[in-house]
Amino acid sequence: DTAVSQTPKYLVTQMGNDKSIKCEQNLGHDTMYWYKQDSKKFLKIMFSYNNKELIINETVPNRFSPKSPDKAHLNLHINSLELGDSAVYFCASSRVSYESSGVFSYEQYFGPGTRLTVT
Amino acid sequence: AQKITQTQPGMFVQEKEAVTLDCTYDTSDPSYGLFWYKQPSSGEMIFLIYQGSYDQQNATEGRYSLNFQKARKSANLVISASQLGDSAMYFCAMRESNAGGTSYGKLTFGQGTILTVHP
Repeated sequence: DTAVSQTPKYLVTQMGNDKSIKCEQNLGHDTMYWYKQDSKKFLKIMFSYNNKELIINETVPNRFSPKSPDKAHLNLHINSLELGDSAVYFCASSRVSYESSGVFSYEQYFGPGTRLTVT
Repeated sequence: AQKITQTQPGMFVQEKEAVTLDCTYDTSDPSYGLFWYKQPSSGEMIFLIYQGSYDQQNATEGRYSLNFQKARKSANLVISASQLGDSAMYFCAMRESNAGGTSYGKLTFGQGTILTVHP
């Protein structure tokens, strides 16, 4: 059983198009994430959702819009794609514990990645 | 300033030997977590090991152990008895304090180290 799945695995599209990447996790985790891995393999967080609520929104262009219809799904929609958007996009999920001192997350489990190529 | 630094772009090791991958971090939070992930050439991100800042003992998971030196702010990964399948990119990552409940597990990644295991 796949724990964190993403579709599609590969996405080739032209500049200016709009595309979506879907992510689903069957781990029962509360929190999901989107990361971008650039051509130099550098990984950077883009968004995080906890119980369908946006928690982390890094300085990502507003052409990128995440949507979480429920705790198990976090989709990423990208408008007006640009050449610089070419990268591998990873979805991840983790469980969290809610303590009196704050919220603590455990290890994150990643999906297989979606390689986006913008031509 | 870099929060996570992996100074070894590439490392080589002979099969069955042990190898240490370096990671130093920078944070002023008292409560943080350190993670290591493996990314083989197939592209997926595989969680290996976790060390919490308050953990007294170094973390171990099978052939992986984390050499945690808090005063030096280092969290080196030690792989014992290297196998050919260990050839991959390895990432160190840090989760900073969730106090106040807003970071929800945001991971900051290092640049990665490519490990090559020779037969």
